[in-house]
Order: sequence, then C-alpha cells, then structure tokens
Amino acid sequence: DAKTTQPPSMDCAEGRAANLPCNHSTISGNEYVYWYRQIHSQGPQYIIHGLKNNETNEMASLIITEDRKSSTLILPHATLRDTAVYYCIVRATDSWGKFQFGAGTQVVVTP
Amino acid sequence: DAGVIQSPRHEVTEMGQEVTLRCKPISGHNSLFWYRQTMMRGLELLIYFNNNVPIDDSGMPEDRFSAKMPNASFSTLKIQPSEPRDSAVYFCASSLNRGNYGYTFGSGTRLTVV
Repeated sequence: DAKTTQPPSMDCAEGRAANLPCNHSTISGNEYVYWYRQIHSQGPQYIIHGLKNNETNEMASLIITEDRKSSTLILPHATLRDTAVYYCIVRATDSWGKFQFGAGTQVVVTP
Repeated sequence: DAGVIQSPRHEVTEMGQEVTLRCKPISGHNSLFWYRQTMMRGLELLIYFNNNVPIDDSGMPEDRFSAKMPNASFSTLKIQPSEPRDSAVYFCASSLNRGNYGYTFGSGTRLTVV
C-alpha cells in the first residue's frame, strides 16, 4: 500500500472548519483513501473513505484531488470533542483488510 | 450492537506471568485484528484472522505471543511469559472483509508488566 504524509500537528478554533491535508503521491489506481481518528485513551474510530470522488457523511467531508495524489479531510464545524490524532491511510482493495497506521496529525481544537 | 468488546480494560502483572487478553467482535463481522500501541512505535498490526483462520501473523513480535480464534465470536491474545517491554495498549478490531469497510475498534486493554 502507498505511503502517506501528514503534518504532525495543527490547531483549530472551535466552530471553525478544520482542513486536514494528506499527501499520497504514490497512490495506485486500486487504492482507497481512509481516515480514522483516535481520541485520547480510546480506540481508533473510522471516519470516512473514498476512491476518487469527494465523499461526505455526518462526521466529515473528504476531498480528493483529480490526480489522487493528495486529499483533505474537512471537519466543517470543529468542536472540542474533535481533539484527536487523525490518521490518513491508503489501502488497496485486495489488501485483505489490513490497515497500517502512521503517526497521524494531532489536532487540537481550542475554545 | 455493543461494538467490539475487550477484556480486561486494565491488566497489571508481574514479569514472567502469563497474560490473556480477550476480544468479542461485532456479530456478523468475519475479520478480526489485533493491534498494539506504544508511544515509541505507534499502532502496530500484530495478527489478523479471516473467518476464524489466521491470515497474517508477521507482526507478532516473538514466540511469546500467540493468538487464537476458536469461533466467530471470540478471540484471545496470549503472552507467555510476559516482559516489561510488552507494556502497551492492545486493541482488537473487527470488520466485514467484503467491500471496503473500515474497522470498528474496541476500547483496548492497557497492559502493564512490572
């Protein structure tokens, strides 16, 4: 599976949109982009995933560039409870379900 | 659904003792994964099962670690003998292996070996 690069940390003001970037320049055609987050002392939580189209659910939106070499996770109205480590993972459809987690981005939402 | 259930939540044991961690996956999920998380190494995949069969155990650190899945609703991760460097949070996760579903993780077991 392709590697991903994320900034180690970022801050966001409560109520504002949080835009989390992820670079995956070596992504292959059969690889999806997944996002998870891990709130302190909890297990990771699935957020969203996509192949090439933009996706939206009740938690977030995922914007994937046309060349698929990068993506952005958008939390539209960040709350203090969104403070967490966010992981961007690229996984092929035939990878038997394995997710390899990197270091992620520590997001701190401030009042 | 109660989600993925792990027990115990916390375990403190002495070096050399056997430790058994338990996991009940979500009903209907046919893939199960064991991860370990430390500050130094982050989240590491130890082993995963598909339809109760171990598929890849290349992440298991050494022979002291073993995992079983006797049926679709139960899995164990055993460490024998335990060592202080095994101290970590151990997570279990489950998913459907068809399609591109994400995992559902349990709350983890915090293991401290003294």
